[in-house]
Amino acid sequence: SQTIHQWPATLVQPVGSPLSLECTVEGTSNPNLYWYRQAAGRGLQLLFYSVGIGQISSEVPQNLSASRPQDRQFILSSKKLLLSDSGFYLCAWSSGGANEAFFGQGTRLTVV
Amino acid sequence: AQKITQTQPGMFVQEKEAVTLDCTYDTSDPSYGLFWYKQPSSGEMIFLIYQGSYDQQNATEGRYSLNFQKARKSANLVISASQLGDSAMYFCAMREGRSFQKLVFGTGTRLLVSP
Repeated sequence: SQTIHQWPATLVQPVGSPLSLECTVEGTSNPNLYWYRQAAGRGLQLLFYSVGIGQISSEVPQNLSASRPQDRQFILSSKKLLLSDSGFYLCAWSSGGANEAFFGQGTRLTVV
Repeated sequence: AQKITQTQPGMFVQEKEAVTLDCTYDTSDPSYGLFWYKQPSSGEMIFLIYQGSYDQQNATEGRYSLNFQKARKSANLVISASQLGDSAMYFCAMREGRSFQKLVFGTGTRLLVSP
């Protein structure tokens, strides 16, 4: 069966520090991968999606970037965090033929 | 304009009662999909139910059913026989087109089930 792993679960980082969140999927190949952010009390906002290795599309301009170095690995990064980057970050995957997307457990990022 | 609208910030229901969570959507794409996700306090997003725009029948998954009214562009979630474990945030989402999943989410409804 397919599983999605996302880490770390929580992270507290100072303003101006770098960020790297990792997401890996097991049990499937060539998944579509997504990074979402959820601000406190809000719905999810799509940040990036990827349909293949090295292929990244950005949905909103921001201080973050994403990379897909391997088929089942998706990384969210920042060179210098801002206070406004605080939030709950969720990685998700879907396959081309399926209807639903499956989410990881999320990372709660607090920038201080 | 909002593509997914959930007008109920919070809903209360008693255990064993049914509850309807509202969702309206806006799209000009004839092919789309509608989803409901549950987010408990732990934060993970749990897929509940899916309705395709061309599906003739309303989707059902156990105690969850989706009341799909295409002409009114609504996709309400009905939870029958509520349980205490149903207390959570519920998000309606839409995928436009078929090529891949890009879900647009509503702002969510917090459901509280009381004994």
